[in-house]
Amino acid sequence: GDQVEQSPSALSLHEGTGSALRCNFTTTMRAVQWFQQNSRGSLINLFYLASGTKENGRLKSTFNSKESYSTLHIRDAQLEDSGTYFCAAEGGDYNQGKLIFGQGTKLSIKP
Amino acid sequence: AQTIHQWPVAEIKAVGSPLSLGCTIKGKSSPNLYWYWQATGGTLQQLFYSITVGQVESVVQLNLSASRPKDDQFILSTEKLLLSHSGFYLCAWSLGERLFFGHGTKLSVL
Repeated sequence: GDQVEQSPSALSLHEGTGSALRCNFTTTMRAVQWFQQNSRGSLINLFYLASGTKENGRLKSTFNSKESYSTLHIRDAQLEDSGTYFCAAEGGDYNQGKLIFGQGTKLSIKP
Repeated sequence: AQTIHQWPVAEIKAVGSPLSLGCTIKGKSSPNLYWYWQATGGTLQQLFYSITVGQVESVVQLNLSASRPKDDQFILSTEKLLLSHSGFYLCAWSLGERLFFGHGTKLSVL
């Protein structure tokens, strides 16, 4: 079946630094979303992409449907960026509402 | 502005007891509604979705059921809880693209 492979599973950054999270897809995906889950469990929708690149503040995301991957770049990391980041994709055989989540990247920001 | 409210915030229930979790969305007409389940430290698994009142599609079978009695209300329930039902339940809505989640209900089955 459709799969979303997310990496790394965990990442530790110092404040002010940056890094990239990645999701690889085993089949053609129609669109991708990125979410941040905070310590209370709430999920915040960061991006929705059907193609290309979007930027919001210190975050930037790219979706390449042809090469089946998406990335989330974080720059100038702040303590409040800590949490678990999930990508989620709509499968190529799009069944309305069927969103496949990656396993998540647990991000820790250190002072 | 649209708001999504889930209740209760947390539940501790006995194995074999019934369960009802609720979700209300205000500020959006005829949204798509979803129930997700998340094991502690795990990813999100979609359980049900609904595109209109009275119509619910099951994505996985977990001895749970869902209903949409009103346009803005989505209910998740079971008559007999299992230990494996423990976890975090999230309601979500969309209008076809971005997905927005409620704050979730933490369920502990003992």
